[in-house]
Amino acid sequence: GAGVSQSPSNKVTEKGKDVELRCDPISGHTALYWYRQSLGQGLEFLIYFQGNSAPDKSGLPSDRFSAERTGGSVSTLTIQRTQQEDSAVYLCASSLWTSGRGGPPSYEQYFGPGTRLTVT
Amino acid sequence: AQTVTQSQPEMSVQEAETVTLSCTYDTSESDYYLFWYKQPPSRQMILVIRQEAYKQQNATENRFSVNFQKAAKSFSLKISDSQLGDAAMYFCAYRRLYNNNDMRFGAGTRLTVKP
Repeated sequence: GAGVSQSPSNKVTEKGKDVELRCDPISGHTALYWYRQSLGQGLEFLIYFQGNSAPDKSGLPSDRFSAERTGGSVSTLTIQRTQQEDSAVYLCASSLWTSGRGGPPSYEQYFGPGTRLTVT
Repeated sequence: AQTVTQSQPEMSVQEAETVTLSCTYDTSESDYYLFWYKQPPSRQMILVIRQEAYKQQNATENRFSVNFQKAAKSFSLKISDSQLGDAAMYFCAYRRLYNNNDMRFGAGTRLTVKP
């Protein structure tokens, strides 16, 4: 079956422009995550969607960042007025939701290939 | 707050030999999950192995095994019979048991495999 897909694979934009990054999760996965990976760094959590619940936006670094998930499937991460420090790889992941011990056994996050964003 | 530390930015191993990647973490929780992810140049993060903290037995997946020391909050990954395809960035990650969205990653270890 198809995995998590992201588009575009690479994006070069000028400082101050807005960009949209897209994520298509695995069909049936109710949880969706966005992460940012700066050069040589680990993954930084940005935002989490779970079903129809309000998203957890606690990781968004500023109000220039926003994300939405339409119909519980595709998600778009939008960065407004991009800055050079926004340059990074943006990774999307999806998973089946689990309640923890005693719940469904699947808790693995499946990652997409990421979008490399370069702000010039 | 939970933090994950990987103290080895880079490691190197000869093909067919064994290498151990280190990871320590800080948490006040008693139940949680630990993971090792592999990120090859394609950028695709791939789950290598996972460990439930409430299980005392160390997880094993073929050539990959972990040494989970709960009291020491240590979670090292051992790769046996290293292959050229094992070359990648390896990330250690922590997640609370009942919080599906709280995944914390270490900064990663770049593994080079020499032929």
